[in-house]
Amino acid sequence: EVQLVESGGGLVQPGGSLRLSCAASGFTFSDHYMDWVRQSPGKGLEWVGRIKNRANSYITEYAASVRGRFTMSRDDSKNLLYLQMSGLKTEDTAVYHCVRDLHNLGGAFDIWGQGTMVTVSS
Amino acid sequence: DIVMTQTPLSLSVTPGQPASISCKSSQSLLFSNGKTYLYWYLQKPGQSPQLLIYEVSSRLSGVPDRFSGSGSGTDFTLEISRAEAGDVGVYYCMQGLHLPYTFGQGTRLEIK
Repeated sequence: EVQLVESGGGLVQPGGSLRLSCAASGFTFSDHYMDWVRQSPGKGLEWVGRIKNRANSYITEYAASVRGRFTMSRDDSKNLLYLQMSGLKTEDTAVYHCVRDLHNLGGAFDIWGQGTMVTVSS
Repeated sequence: DIVMTQTPLSLSVTPGQPASISCKSSQSLLFSNGKTYLYWYLQKPGQSPQLLIYEVSSRLSGVPDRFSGSGSGTDFTLEISRAEAGDVGVYYCMQGLHLPYTFGQGTRLEIK
């Protein structure tokens, strides 16, 4: 079965750090660009960032709201995607989904994880 | 950033009746390769979003042909020919032309 399973969410104080993981299965993980999309409670969807595949040098790109604070990485040997978050702010509170980019271009996110909740609060 | 604007923000339809959602982008989503990077997602209650339509009008495998997408440039439409109870949720359009990818505010569909 093709799936993505996130983990690592939780409660963290402002200024703190957290690392999210996403385990992929059922497809050739290493072929695909992978992204993170978040959804604040009761709000819409916000693209967070993406990491390209090995063929494209694992280039990462981020939304302005997280650039310099969040870092994406991947371990293709373990089919794992990571999101290292630091300098967390209350506005980072959201459900974080890892997603697969079907075509590696343009944002056709055909596989979504169930999401992991990150709460930033004192 | 490209701004995506959806209308209406909520919609209530009778089963078997059509539904239509509009999405407008603040700039053209047509790329030089001839493709237009406009997507439609549905988030059913309690679930993660799911991709319905990619590149304006291509249905993802398994998506019923009751769903269709159309449009060009900056104006796009998602149509449901005959709404069913299982179509309830929030529909989002998304542009994939320029980073950051941006979503519309969402349109909540209710079945009467």
